[in-house]
Amino acid sequence: DTAVSQTPKYLVTQMGNDKSIKCEQNLGHDTMYWYKQDSKKFLKIMFSYNNKELIINETVPNRFSPKSPDKAHLNLHINSLELGDSAVYFCASSPIGQGSGANVLTFGAGSRLTVL
Amino acid sequence: AQSVTQLDSHVSVSEGTPVLLRCNYSSSYSPSLFWYVQHPNKGLQLLLKYTSAATLVKGINGFEAEFKKSETSFHLTKPSAHMSDAAEYFCVVIGSQGNLIFGKGTKLSVKP
Repeated sequence: DTAVSQTPKYLVTQMGNDKSIKCEQNLGHDTMYWYKQDSKKFLKIMFSYNNKELIINETVPNRFSPKSPDKAHLNLHINSLELGDSAVYFCASSPIGQGSGANVLTFGAGSRLTVL
Repeated sequence: AQSVTQLDSHVSVSEGTPVLLRCNYSSSYSPSLFWYVQHPNKGLQLLLKYTSAATLVKGINGFEAEFKKSETSFHLTKPSAHMSDAAEYFCVVIGSQGNLIFGKGTKLSVKP
């Protein structure tokens, strides 16, 4: 069974479209995250949710809106897609917030978004 | 602010030879440090973590890392490289908000 699953794995779309990426974890973790990995493999956090509550919201355009219907799901909706949004988006989860240093993230396999 | 610097963007070794991937950190307090590995077209997997316990940390697949406060380093090593070790490796520190801050990655190539 996949611990953190993301769908779709690949997404190709036109500029200006709206798209969503879904993420689900079956680990019983309280905290979920979205990370963006650019073409140079650089990973940066976008959002963090703890029990459906937004904890971290980095400098991300308003076109990106995370939604957490319950603590096992964290979806990412992107409006008016731009070329620069092309990247691999990783969902992750952890048992509690990372501040303790004792907990680690379990990552999904990633969703590769290509905007044409 | 917390940060990590991976000193090499690409490291190439021959199978059976030692691996050294270098990472320096910057932190205003005792850091929590991790190494993650990303195989091609895969997600990230935790190799090992340091959380102020033993300075020599052993991870999966024969990897280990040593925390050296005097050198602000957390280098990743393995005595003998295997072809399956070819991947991207990320050094990571926990930031002040509790988020993971990734280094820019080191691509490890293993030649037969």
